[in-house]
Amino acid sequence: AQTVTQSQPEMSVQEAETVTLSCTYDTSESDYYLFWYKQPPSRQMILVIRQEAYKQQNATENRFSVNFQKAAKSFSLKISDSQLGDAAMYFCAYRSPETQGGSEKLVFGKGTKLTVNP
Amino acid sequence: KAGVTQTPRYLIKTRGQQVTLSCSPISGHRSVSWYQQTPGQGLQFLFEYFSETQRNKGNFPGRFSGRQFSNSRSEMNVSTLELGDSALYLCASSLILGYEQYFGPGTRLTVT
Repeated sequence: AQTVTQSQPEMSVQEAETVTLSCTYDTSESDYYLFWYKQPPSRQMILVIRQEAYKQQNATENRFSVNFQKAAKSFSLKISDSQLGDAAMYFCAYRSPETQGGSEKLVFGKGTKLTVNP
Repeated sequence: KAGVTQTPRYLIKTRGQQVTLSCSPISGHRSVSWYQQTPGQGLQFLFEYFSETQRNKGNFPGRFSGRQFSNSRSEMNVSTLELGDSALYLCASSLILGYEQYFGPGTRLTVT
């Protein structure tokens, strides 16, 4: 079974600075999807970024980018120019590809609570 | 386009009772998944539905069940509630299998 580990329960960053959240995963599959979700205090989970394992290029969405190291099974999230609105719980998640039974099941890490200091 | 909606948003039940939670996916979305979120266990997959069929089920006891209707709306039911069932229950929908999942605000269930 796949597992996702987020080793940093809490992180803090100064406004306008850069922060990197870590995520490692364990899988025997060669093709899969990885996601970072953000859950602000209002509790609505929002997709931040998505990475397909077969793509070597790291995904980027505005101030959010990932460092995907497939061999190391590492998937870190970098937030540049941090803003107060970035404060939230961040979850790393894994999903098997459609060829593996077509499941939508996401396996989540325990999350990292990010605090942004003004 | 309206997002995923979940009703009710908050619920207080007593041990031994049963509860039904509802999820309305984004219009046009056919896949619905349910997750339980607790401080101790984090986010855990409950089950997923596509075109009224349960495609996958997580490692939860039979007290947890669900279904999906022809309009893609989904319900989950928990019978014989236990204190440990207190959690935030999240529903997520996607257009078709393999696309991004969009989450609802959740239903906060408290069992006393």
